[in-house]
Amino acid sequence: EPEVTQTPSHQVTQMGQEVILRCVPISNHLYFYWYRQILGQKVEFLVSFYNNEISEKSEIFDDQFSVERPDGSNFTLKIRSTKLEDSAMYFCASSFQDSTTEAFFGQGTRLTVV
Amino acid sequence: GENVEQHPSTLSVQEGDSAVIKCTYSDSASNYFPWYKQELGKGPQLIIDIRSNVGEKKDQRIAVTLNKTAKHFSLHITETQPEDSAVYFCAASRISGYSTLTFGKGTMLLVSP
Repeated sequence: EPEVTQTPSHQVTQMGQEVILRCVPISNHLYFYWYRQILGQKVEFLVSFYNNEISEKSEIFDDQFSVERPDGSNFTLKIRSTKLEDSAMYFCASSFQDSTTEAFFGQGTRLTVV
Repeated sequence: GENVEQHPSTLSVQEGDSAVIKCTYSDSASNYFPWYKQELGKGPQLIIDIRSNVGEKKDQRIAVTLNKTAKHFSLHITETQPEDSAVYFCAASRISGYSTLTFGKGTMLLVSP
């Protein structure tokens, strides 16, 4: 069964450092998303990406965040200068159509900012 | 924007019992309501969804009901098994454009043998 894969599974970084979280969406999917989940809290939407551009973003997704699809398979989330409050589980998701068709989630990257 | 409330936050049942998780939403334009199951260390996995043109949908032991007037929807799991133990999230979205999912806070379901 096709799946969304994320690397690394766990990333520890110093406050102020840049991190890049990587995702390989399902190959024939067209819509890509990043969500995050702070420990014990709900899953929160960060950004959606379609046709090589951001289609929607939340208030969380400020200038410190950026996304990129550098080639035909990878989808990355970059945090330029990490803060302690960026510590969370980050989930990549993809769907063939918009979010109202099944969105497949990756297993997540746990980001710990120290 | 949309706000989704989910109750209860934890639910403990005995194997074989039924479990019900309830969600309410605020945006009357929302018309797509998926439920996700998240097992420890894994990402959310869609288990069932419902669109606003139907009031109920069933898939084996799980069912979802939707009351658009009251703006609430529920997940029903019958004959629970220990492997049903997980965190369950409800979500809401509009069927248009790039609308994204707004999640509830999750319910930790514990099924005791």
